Amino acid sequence: GAGVSQTPSNKVTEKGKYVELRCDPISGHTALYWYRQSLGQGPEFLIYFQGTGAADDSGLPNDRFFAVRPEGSVSTLKIQRTERGDSAVYLCASSSNLNTEAFFGQGTRLTVV
Amino acid sequence: KQEVTQIPAALSVPEGENLVLNCSFTDSAIYNLQWFRQDPGKGLTSLLLIQSSQREQTSGRLNASLDKSSGRSTLYIAASQPGDSATYLCAVHIYTGNQFYFGTGTSLTVIP
Repeated sequence: GAGVSQTPSNKVTEKGKYVELRCDPISGHTALYWYRQSLGQGPEFLIYFQGTGAADDSGLPNDRFFAVRPEGSVSTLKIQRTERGDSAVYLCASSSNLNTEAFFGQGTRLTVV
Repeated sequence: KQEVTQIPAALSVPEGENLVLNCSFTDSAIYNLQWFRQDPGKGLTSLLLIQSSQREQTSGRLNASLDKSSGRSTLYIAASQPGDSATYLCAVHIYTGNQFYFGTGTSLTVIP
């Protein structure tokens, strides 16, 4: 596609539920990032993929968070047993290589009630 | 850990003014620095990317500079327009950990 696509754009879920957030990167981009942004803050790193493998998952806050990229393209961020503190905008970005320009999607706004 | 600071946090200027946004970072071991624009409720739009070996990049009315040794970057916006109103974020891409570190942004309002 022309840009990074994230679905859904908005997600409201009840505390304790499981959610999946999807990211379609720019075609051919091998690097994929997930970030989380709270109101009034800059994005915070969650995880980085190079191809199919998670090269750096040091930003995942705890083991309720998990992400996959099985075919080196689409990625899914999975959150188990959601908590109200998980409410934020989840941003995905891709780039053609490690040190090239990164392009972000429009984000998924997650609200846990 | 890399710390990125953006000053000022908010800025309001009349239309037509030239302005400078500042970004500072603590660790100079970076691949590159990227400036983004974020409109309310939206994702990030890439404005300019400066590689660590470069001193500046220009795109239209925007000019970004990088002084890696002093840990500073500036984004210069010429002849500001109301449509420039947004939050501007800088991000540094570090050697280790393969991640971008973001500042908290500068919220710009250009008054018609």
